[in-house]
Formats: sequence, C-alpha cells, structure tokens
Amino acid sequence: ETGVTQTPRHLVMGMTNKKSLKCEQHLGHNAMYWYKQSAKKPLELMFVYSLEERVENNSVPSRFSPECPNSSHLFLHLHTLQPEDSALYLCASSQDVSAGGYNEQFFGPGTRLTVL
Amino acid sequence: KQEVTQIPAALSVPEGENLVLNCSFTDSAIYNLQWFRQDPGKGLTSLLLIQSSQREQTSGRLNASLDKSSGRSTLYIAASQPGDSATYLCAAEGYYGGSQGNLIFGKGTKLSVKP
Repeated sequence: ETGVTQTPRHLVMGMTNKKSLKCEQHLGHNAMYWYKQSAKKPLELMFVYSLEERVENNSVPSRFSPECPNSSHLFLHLHTLQPEDSALYLCASSQDVSAGGYNEQFFGPGTRLTVL
Repeated sequence: KQEVTQIPAALSVPEGENLVLNCSFTDSAIYNLQWFRQDPGKGLTSLLLIQSSQREQTSGRLNASLDKSSGRSTLYIAASQPGDSATYLCAAEGYYGGSQGNLIFGKGTKLSVKP
C-alpha cells in the first residue's frame, strides 16, 4: 500500500460513454499527477496539480478532463474516447512539485481502461 | 528534449545471480533519477531516488548509481530472487516543457529470475 488509491481498477466503456476515474491520496501531499501507460510506450505525464491548481497539461486531448476539488482527490473525466485511449491510467502524488532534488512520487495501482 | 533509454528490454537470470540494469538519459540537467518497480497489472513502487548531487543510493540488496556527466544510471541487484521478477523503470526528473517536477520515463527492463 502506497497511500494512493484508485477506483475503479478496471473499466470497459464504449466510445460514446462518459465515465470518471478517481484517485485519493492519504499522505498529506500537495501535488497530484495523472499518467498514461500504453503498451510498448513509456509512461506519459498527462496532468499535474499543485494545491488544486493545474500546473501542467501535456497537450492532452480535450476528451480527457481533469478535476482536483481538494489536495487529496483527483478525478479524470472521460468522454467520447477512442480505442487508442485504452491504457493503464496511473495516479501519483508527491509532497509538492517544486524540484528541490528530492521529490519522490507515490503511485496508485492504476485503472485499466478498455475502450470498445 | 529529455529521452530516457533502458537496456536491455528484457533479462532472464537464474536465482542467486548478481545483475545490473542500465538507464541512460540525454539531458544531464536533471534534478534526480528515480528507479521504480512495476509488477504485472499494478502501479509503480519507488525503489531508490538519487539526487543530482549524489553518486549512489543503497537499499538492502539494491544499489543505484548516477553519473550525470555520462548520462547514465545503473541499478545493481545482488543475489537475485524469484520475487525480484518485475519490470524496472527509471525516470529522470527535471525542468521540462516549462514545468518543474516532470518525470521522463524509460520503457523499462522486464526481469525474470528463474528458481
């Protein structure tokens, strides 16, 4: 257990569905992240939030919409996805985003998303 | 643009063997270098973090080294066990894309330790 939980663990959705992924961290951290892990590709950073403010958006399509209502919760809202969006979506948290040299990120177990 | 490469992509060794996993990065202006372990279908577990001013970190049977000038890091696993079987990822953290704290990951090395 890393102190970061994600629900659901598995999700199958059609291209016209709307669904949301949830992440919760119990570590008292100020920064939260969404990553995408596709087969045969490196982990890709999607979004970064610091104290509930988005600080990074890595050119992610608008069909992915993040929400951070407080420093402990992070959502990823999904709508009209494509089959190529099928992947493992990982959430992570860290004390903060400032790079003082020690910024260990703690990851959740991920949500395995399949888009039909 | 930072690129992280891990060689080999897969490695199979007999139990008890000492082994080295390699990670290289193109931009030496990093804040730190992190090694993670990922079990099938699971999230990432942080193993070691080496700050840019450090040369190595140790945890149990694991030792990670960092050579910024050559753009290389190695993860040494001593006396490997079947339970070490997993994918090992390295990631460089730096100021990328106009934002701090971005981790750039390699594709990983899939390790299999045979009993």
